[in-house]
Amino acid sequence: DAGVIQSPRHEVTEMGQEVTLRCKPISGHNSLFWYRQTMMRGLELLIYFNNNVPIDDSGMPEDRFSAKMPNASFSTLKIQPSEPRDSAVYFCASSLRTSSGNTIYFGEGSWLTVV
Amino acid sequence: AQSVTQLDSHVSVSEGTPVLLRCNYSSSYSPSLFWYVQHPNKGLQLLLKYTSAATLVKGINGFEAEFKKSETSFHLTKPSAHMSDAAEYFCVVSGTASKLTFGTGTRLQVTL
Repeated sequence: DAGVIQSPRHEVTEMGQEVTLRCKPISGHNSLFWYRQTMMRGLELLIYFNNNVPIDDSGMPEDRFSAKMPNASFSTLKIQPSEPRDSAVYFCASSLRTSSGNTIYFGEGSWLTVV
Repeated sequence: AQSVTQLDSHVSVSEGTPVLLRCNYSSSYSPSLFWYVQHPNKGLQLLLKYTSAATLVKGINGFEAEFKKSETSFHLTKPSAHMSDAAEYFCVVSGTASKLTFGTGTRLQVTL
């Protein structure tokens, strides 16, 4: 089975440029999450969607960050304009939420470097 | 509110010896608990999960964890470490609305 698929795996961009990270969740999953991992702050939840609707975006650091989920099989995380402090690994994850709980599966991550 | 505390930031064991990674949790209700592993430059892989069924949970690669409500612990163990087990391990608690709270991680080093 295909897992959570993220692209690009690695990106190096200049400060001020727009960055778009993409995610394809596991087919049939109804929840999607964007996490950011840094050495200083560990893993942080940025935003999550349930049935394509954003439920909690309180972790989005500032207005430069935006996330969309136009359909059940695709989501994007956009940073515009990017800054060096945005350098991190961004993980997308998905889960199937049921009455008995849920298990979250992670993609391989997008390694972002802003110079 | 919920939280997890991983008691050791770094654990070093010799190959073939037992592994113990400690985790304590805090939750205002019956939690779901997970252990994830992250190998260098890789994503997070689910090792095992506890969801109020059996208190001893078996996972992949020979790992297991025991849920102890009286001690609010969910320690991860493996009888015999292998070099390929060297990685970062995260204890995680799941709260309402599917949100996960991660521990700070324990880096496991396995030496010959």
